Amino acid sequence: AQKVTQAQTEISVVEKEDVTLDCVYETRDTTYYLFWYKQPPSGELVFLIRRNSFDEQNEISGRYSWNFQKSTSSFNFTITASQVVDSAVYFCALDSNYQLIWGAGTKLIIKP
Amino acid sequence: EAGVAQSPRYKIIEKRQSVAFWCNPISGHATLYWYQQILGQGPKLLIQFQNNGVVDDSQLPKDRFSAERLKGVDSTLKIQPAKLEDSAVYLCASSLWTSGIYNEQFFGPGTRLTVL
Repeated sequence: AQKVTQAQTEISVVEKEDVTLDCVYETRDTTYYLFWYKQPPSGELVFLIRRNSFDEQNEISGRYSWNFQKSTSSFNFTITASQVVDSAVYFCALDSNYQLIWGAGTKLIIKP
Repeated sequence: EAGVAQSPRYKIIEKRQSVAFWCNPISGHATLYWYQQILGQGPKLLIQFQNNGVVDDSQLPKDRFSAERLKGVDSTLKIQPAKLEDSAVYLCASSLWTSGIYNEQFFGPGTRLTVL
């Protein structure tokens, strides 16, 4: 069975703190893709990153970074020096057969 | 490039009424998806089209939900009759279809449905 678990339902931090959102996945496929999406209060899903199962290199994009570890089936997302505009629900998703399996999301609240 | 368009953005109806949502995918995208996102949950796939054919509708409640993509471009999702538990955001997404190459999904803004 394929599954994505985001154990953190809600995280609240003060602006400028670093925060890590956890994502653990299950799949028997050897080829798959992992995603992170941001959903601000407006509701639209904003694509953040895609990583395929053969690329375990960590990625950094500005204040965002992602740590992919196949050994622990995790794909964690870190925001450095958080800002109020980062407040949103963040979803991790798995795609192994052109269908996305979604986690339940983590609501991130950044307090000024 | 224009994104995925959806209308209406918001809809409020009474239970047992009917409602329809429209989606226009990105030009050239052969694959179209409808998702239901209940508050506090991740999106759930309702139906996936490849051109005008259905690839997967295993999670579509077919007793009340229907969807079509007659010309392989835009699509309509209908609920008839609506129930209270249908209150959700309905998201449309589209992607290219290239055999052997992964093509990511692009999402529309969604339609927020409230059933009273």
